[in-house]
Amino acid sequence: EVQLLESGGGLVQPGGSLRLSCAASGFTFSSYAFSWVRQAPGKGLEWVSSISGRGGSIYYADSVKGRFTISRDNSKNTLYLQMNSLRAEDTAVYYCAKDMQYNSDWRAGDYWGQGTLVTVSS
Amino acid sequence: QSALTQPPSASGSPGQSVTISCTGTSSDVGTYNYVSWYQQHPGKAPKLMIYEVSKRPSGVPDRFSGSKSGNTASLTVSGLQAEDEADYYCSSYAGINNMIFGGGTKLTVL
Repeated sequence: EVQLLESGGGLVQPGGSLRLSCAASGFTFSSYAFSWVRQAPGKGLEWVSSISGRGGSIYYADSVKGRFTISRDNSKNTLYLQMNSLRAEDTAVYYCAKDMQYNSDWRAGDYWGQGTLVTVSS
Repeated sequence: QSALTQPPSASGSPGQSVTISCTGTSSDVGTYNYVSWYQQHPGKAPKLMIYEVSKRPSGVPDRFSGSKSGNTASLTVSGLQAEDEADYYCSSYAGINNMIFGGGTKLTVL
């Protein structure tokens, strides 16, 4: 059974940093691309960043470029999102999502974690 | 990159069909066949319902179907059931490895 479990969310002051984790199980982690997708309270979904299976291809939304860093440790079956210089508008539930196609760039998420809430406020 | 355009709301009675549109541009929906649709119930994670415009993942009822014409993609839910009441989001590949989502449509089953 595929499982994705995010952690690391919480309350942080503007300008602060946070690292999210997404622990995966139930499939060959290194064979699939992943994305982080966020959802501000009461708002829609926003793609944040994607990473290929082996980590060689990485992409970011313009809204987070230069501030967020996506990475993965295939030996630990874990995806990360390092978030620096956080702003109030980064407040959202952050989901990790697995791509549905084997050895492909991220195009559609067939499994999603339960989400972790990041609140940026003083 | 602007979000894809969806109607804020849609509704239908049980057993009826409803179609939700998702309008993009020639830089995303119009060019790429990587349009997906997600269903999200309150407080839950999104669930993939349609990928690559019209393909259904295993386990998704065939009451859900997708299509595309020009810059507009559509999700049709036939034989509406109470459990279909949820928010629906479209997404599309937008080139240079960017993904964009629609603003979401709240589907109400009357």
